[in-house]
Amino acid sequence: GAGVSQTPSNKVTEKGKYVELRCDPISGHTALYWYRQSLGQGPEFLIYFQGTGAADDSGLPNDRFFAVRPEGSVSTLKIQRTERGDSAVYLCASGRQGNEQFFGPGTRLTVL
Amino acid sequence: QKEVEQNSGPLSVPEGAIASLNCTYSDRGSQSFFWYRQYSGKSPELIMSIYSNGDKEDGRFTAQLNKASQYVSLLIRDSQPSDSATYLCAVTGRGGGADGLTFGKGTHLIIQP
Repeated sequence: GAGVSQTPSNKVTEKGKYVELRCDPISGHTALYWYRQSLGQGPEFLIYFQGTGAADDSGLPNDRFFAVRPEGSVSTLKIQRTERGDSAVYLCASGRQGNEQFFGPGTRLTVL
Repeated sequence: QKEVEQNSGPLSVPEGAIASLNCTYSDRGSQSFFWYRQYSGKSPELIMSIYSNGDKEDGRFTAQLNKASQYVSLLIRDSQPSDSATYLCAVTGRGGGADGLTFGKGTHLIIQP
């Protein structure tokens, strides 16, 4: 079956702009996760959804970052007033509760 | 603060030999443990999961877990050049698999033909 999909694959924006990153999980997976990965580092947890609700948003670095999953499937990660330090690969993963997480291809965000 | 430690490498292993990758974690309550493989420019790919002490084998891969020592390892038998990648160790917290994962920085493995 289809894996996790993410759009766009690449996003270049200017400092101060607003961006939205989209994740479409594997069909039937109720759990959805956002991570970001900087060069030479492992992925860093941002937020976890179980269904429509954010079960754990402890990894969001500040209030410029926000994520939604209104219908319990597709999720959007929103970043306001982007900064150069936000440049990274943003990864989405999905899974059945309590089991493995499967990653999408990621969105490479570059803030100029 | 949960931590996962891995030797960053590079770890160089001749083709056909056994590659041994190690990982330690700080949270004694961690419940679930995973190994991901990541090729350069690609996203992590799940290759092994382990939940209880002991060994778990899947093809050429064996994961080993020792909760008392807070230690997880991955063995790759009959290493192939295509195994050259960064291997990421990941653990969940006390909530089990529903938690977000905490990753190590990864070990860069090079299989020499």
